[in-house]
Amino acid sequence: DIQMTQSPSSLSASVGDRVTITCRPSQVISNHLAWYQQKPGKLPKLLIHDASTLQSGVPSRFSGSGSGTEFTLTISSLQPEDVATYYCQRYDDAPLTFGGGTKVEIK
Amino acid sequence: EVQLLDSGGGLAQPGGSLRLSCAASGFTFSSYDMSWVRQAPGKGLEWVSGISASGGSTYYADSVKGRFTISRDNSKSTLFLQMNSLRAEDTAVYYCAKAYRKSCFDYWGQGTLVTVSS
Repeated sequence: DIQMTQSPSSLSASVGDRVTITCRPSQVISNHLAWYQQKPGKLPKLLIHDASTLQSGVPSRFSGSGSGTEFTLTISSLQPEDVATYYCQRYDDAPLTFGGGTKVEIK
Repeated sequence: EVQLLDSGGGLAQPGGSLRLSCAASGFTFSSYDMSWVRQAPGKGLEWVSGISASGGSTYYADSVKGRFTISRDNSKSTLFLQMNSLRAEDTAVYYCAKAYRKSCFDYWGQGTLVTVSS
């Protein structure tokens, strides 16, 4: 099965900072890669699908890029409401797999 | 408005069984693939099982293959997960999720807690 490795596992940044989270599949995958945000005690929220397409209603400070074996989620200007854990997920075929998560905190 | 209502969780003994349900509304249930995703306490997300819109194809994580069975009743807009031979490591909140763009997930149920303990 394809494993999804996220890095870092946690980060602390200041409001306004640019934040980048990386997701590395264990082998080349298609662009069927999604990013989710999960705030404490809340349901996961789809942010980006097809590696770089912003889901409707998601702020434009979030962006996704990458291909093959390296994908990134970028928050261009970190806001207090972005405190959450972020997960990548590949969905090209079963079994679907999530990354281990990246916890984002405000410094 | 899309709604997914998970139910059926609870306490089960190791080796026991539970059946989870997910009642869907607000969309044409029979047109969408569906999945179950779980989250152990304090841990990350783990995809468990998926089913095609017609119910004709099913998929499982290796960790549950042979023990769990996913099914759906499109006439009642309901998704199921039959969980047998439960283990302590199956303890988690189980979410049903509606597929979007093949198999990412745009809507999630509120989750139902399954605890496996003697």
